[in-house]
Amino acid sequence: DAGVIQSPRHEVTEMGQEVTLRCKPISGHDYLFWYRQTMMRGLELLIYFNNNVPIDDSGMPEDRFSAKMPNASFSTLKIQPSEPRDSAVYFCASSPEASGEQYFGPGTRLTVT
Amino acid sequence: QKEVEQNSGPLSVPEGAIASLNCTYSDRGSQSFFWYRQYSGKSPELIMFIYSNGDKEDGRFTAQLNKASQYVSLLIRDSQPSDSATYLCAGLSYNTDKLIFGTGTRLQVFP
Repeated sequence: DAGVIQSPRHEVTEMGQEVTLRCKPISGHDYLFWYRQTMMRGLELLIYFNNNVPIDDSGMPEDRFSAKMPNASFSTLKIQPSEPRDSAVYFCASSPEASGEQYFGPGTRLTVT
Repeated sequence: QKEVEQNSGPLSVPEGAIASLNCTYSDRGSQSFFWYRQYSGKSPELIMFIYSNGDKEDGRFTAQLNKASQYVSLLIRDSQPSDSATYLCAGLSYNTDKLIFGTGTRLQVFP
């Protein structure tokens, strides 16, 4: 298996623009997680899905953030409008069950200017 | 207070020494703990997990859990320069199924 795939790997955008991050989980994994990592706050869980259904979005910072999982092999995280404080590395991870054994994608480094 | 706390380091140890990485947690609902290694510019990868009090060994790595003291540690024996990375401690709460990460300890192993 190719592992968790994320795109794009790098994204530079201007404040106010819409940003869409994409993730393809490992086939057969029922859980998908979106994390954000910054130097100041570390790795934070934004939202997670079980069988394509959002289970907990309490980590989503505000209404500018939204996530979808239309099928078992694809998820998006959208930021609209983007702000400089959204600059971070965004990781997608998947796991076969509700456990801490999660497999991370390579991440998307987002820079908002 | 963060739910999972780690000293940010850096922890510097000479090659061949034992590196000891520590973590404390506040949520008594956390029942299992995970150590992830993250190389600079890369994504976290799981190296160890522990569910029960006591020690768990896997090669050069030993994870230790003390639920009464709410303390988790990772020992790396015969440290190598290739072990230089940030080590993230994480607790899984059975109440929420969420993995809560500490901010990580940066380990430097010098030749």
